[in-house]
Amino acid sequence: DTGVSQDPRHKITKRGQNVTFRCDPISEHNRLYWYRQTLGQGPEFLTYFQNEAQLEKSRLLSDRFSAERPKGSFSTLEIQRTEQGDSAMYLCASSLAFTYEQYFGPGTRLTVT
Amino acid sequence: QKEVEQNSGPLSVPEGAIASLNCTYSDRGSQSFFWYRQYSGKSPELIMSIYSNGDKEDGRFTAQLNKASQYVSLLIRDSQPSDSATYLCAVAGLTFGQGTILTVHP
Repeated sequence: DTGVSQDPRHKITKRGQNVTFRCDPISEHNRLYWYRQTLGQGPEFLTYFQNEAQLEKSRLLSDRFSAERPKGSFSTLEIQRTEQGDSAMYLCASSLAFTYEQYFGPGTRLTVT
Repeated sequence: QKEVEQNSGPLSVPEGAIASLNCTYSDRGSQSFFWYRQYSGKSPELIMSIYSNGDKEDGRFTAQLNKASQYVSLLIRDSQPSDSATYLCAVAGLTFGQGTILTVHP
């Protein structure tokens, strides 16, 4: 059973550019989560899906952030008009339905210059 | 706003000792609680989940939950240097504390 995978692992972009990250969950997992983590902090919840439905989105999440999971399998997270404050590790996790026991991918490290 | 509080540490214990990690939370209606371990430069790894008041043991790890007092703790018995990591408490699955850095010294 392969784990959660994320692509790319690293992304360097210039301020103002758009970036898109991909997450492939564990195959039998219905739920998929996105988090952002900065140094010395715990993961900050962004949004999560059950199958293709986006069930919850953080109120702290700017309108520049959008996530999709069109066929209930992989998911993409897009950040538009990136800012230096968006520099962080973006983590994806998945779980079975009706549980929050999450398995994390390796993360995508975003650096905005 | 739901909050999860952890002492950021670092917590330093000698090899073989019991490490005690604590977490408090604000949302009295929370029903599920998790402990994750995160090694430096790696992503979090689930080590324990607990849903009912009391203790839950898994190998050297024991999770303790007290919903009335709104705290959850993790005990690591016979601590090993390989246990040195950041331990994250998560409440209701989605809200994480800032983590406690644990260092186990030989």
